[in-house]
Amino acid sequence: QQQVKQSPQSLIVQKGGISIINCAYENTAFDYFPWYQQFPGKGPALLIAIRPDVSEKKEGRFTISFNKSAKQFSLHIMDSQPGDSATYFCAASSNYGQNFVFGPGTRLSVLP
Amino acid sequence: EPEVTQTPSHQVTQMGQEVILRCVPISNHLYFYWYRQILGQKVEFLVSFYNNEISEKSEIFDDQFSVERPDGSNFTLKIRSTKLEDSAMYFCASKPGAGDTQYFGPGTRLTVL
Repeated sequence: QQQVKQSPQSLIVQKGGISIINCAYENTAFDYFPWYQQFPGKGPALLIAIRPDVSEKKEGRFTISFNKSAKQFSLHIMDSQPGDSATYFCAASSNYGQNFVFGPGTRLSVLP
Repeated sequence: EPEVTQTPSHQVTQMGQEVILRCVPISNHLYFYWYRQILGQKVEFLVSFYNNEISEKSEIFDDQFSVERPDGSNFTLKIRSTKLEDSAMYFCASKPGAGDTQYFGPGTRLTVL
């Protein structure tokens, strides 16, 4: 029940395309869903996050879509750029953002 | 912009030795965390710390592990007797308040030989 599933494992997108990464969870107590971006050798950096009282949140080229009934959420990267090439982790937590449960990660490669 | 810092960036140790990984959280943050990431795998929660005590720990965080906030700025993770399987990146994170997001440090790569 603590698991967060993430797909795809890897994703290759052309520059300018849309990257879509999906996550699903089981624990209905989760109330905070962040996405982290990680470059090789670096720590995860918060990209965007959502709480379940909204169905979508947009920040620049990054959008989270949230489907509470399906217990799924996804990250959309519009106009993907080679600089977006990184590993993306979705995560979930309950109890006001206490310990995060991370998805297994998606390695995104954006081709020039 | 304030950052979480961690030292050392890379630690190599022999199996059975004790290691201490150090973190300096962002100065006004009250909640502190350690995570680990085995190479190529997902980030895993180890322990959370608030008000000078452990608030939650995972099953990974066994008796070999301990955390301490020895002064007002440092937050340490000690592994008493390292095992080969402790080789991983260890990330410290902190956040200012209960409902805030966590900010991660750059990590310490621990290699146990």
